Amino acid sequence: GENVEQHPSTLSVQEGDSAVIKCTYSDSASNYFPWYKQELGKGPQLIIDIRSNVGEKKDQRIAVTLNKTAKHFSLHITETQPEDSAVYFCAASIYTPLVFGKGTRLSVIA
Amino acid sequence: GAVVSQHPSWVICKSGTSVKIECRSLDFQATTMFWYRQFPKQSLMLMATSNEGSKATYEQGVEKDKFLINHASLTLSTLTVTSAHPEDSSFYICSAKSEGPRELFFGEGSRLTVL
Repeated sequence: GENVEQHPSTLSVQEGDSAVIKCTYSDSASNYFPWYKQELGKGPQLIIDIRSNVGEKKDQRIAVTLNKTAKHFSLHITETQPEDSAVYFCAASIYTPLVFGKGTRLSVIA
Repeated sequence: GAVVSQHPSWVICKSGTSVKIECRSLDFQATTMFWYRQFPKQSLMLMATSNEGSKATYEQGVEKDKFLINHASLTLSTLTVTSAHPEDSSFYICSAKSEGPRELFFGEGSRLTVL
């Protein structure tokens, strides 16, 4: 089955700097890669996703890149703000359900 | 976006009792819902896949007799933790699949504490 590795497990950045979180997946047939943001005590919220027919997708300060050959995808957050502090999960799937990475705890220091 | 509601958001119960958690898709029909469990500072682990009108499919290691899942309608799935024990204390999260291309929407989660 699919296995998703996520790095780093924790990340601290200064407000205004960029943050990058990377994930690798094992099943080359996976074709859907969403990213979720989870705040303390809440359920995950979808922030951006990408499908295998696209190499990059951007939504304001958030972007995701996908390298199918290398089987890795990354989340990029620019101009970070304190409210970006949360745990971020990547996931991969061929069909549902999703297989999640272990999460990255992002702290944005004001 | 689509809304998935979970109830209760938190519950405390005594060891040996049963607890029911509801998951509702508020503005769309969900033929498939998923139940996840999340321990502190860990990732979401899939427990079972719930299909409307049929038996749930459980992941390896998840006791189907302990975690009863019912998906009686296109907008409601329930998870019942039977004879709960302290080790069942966790954050339980449901998600529902909308009609769109594989997009999943998650509920706000239900925190269970078993004393």
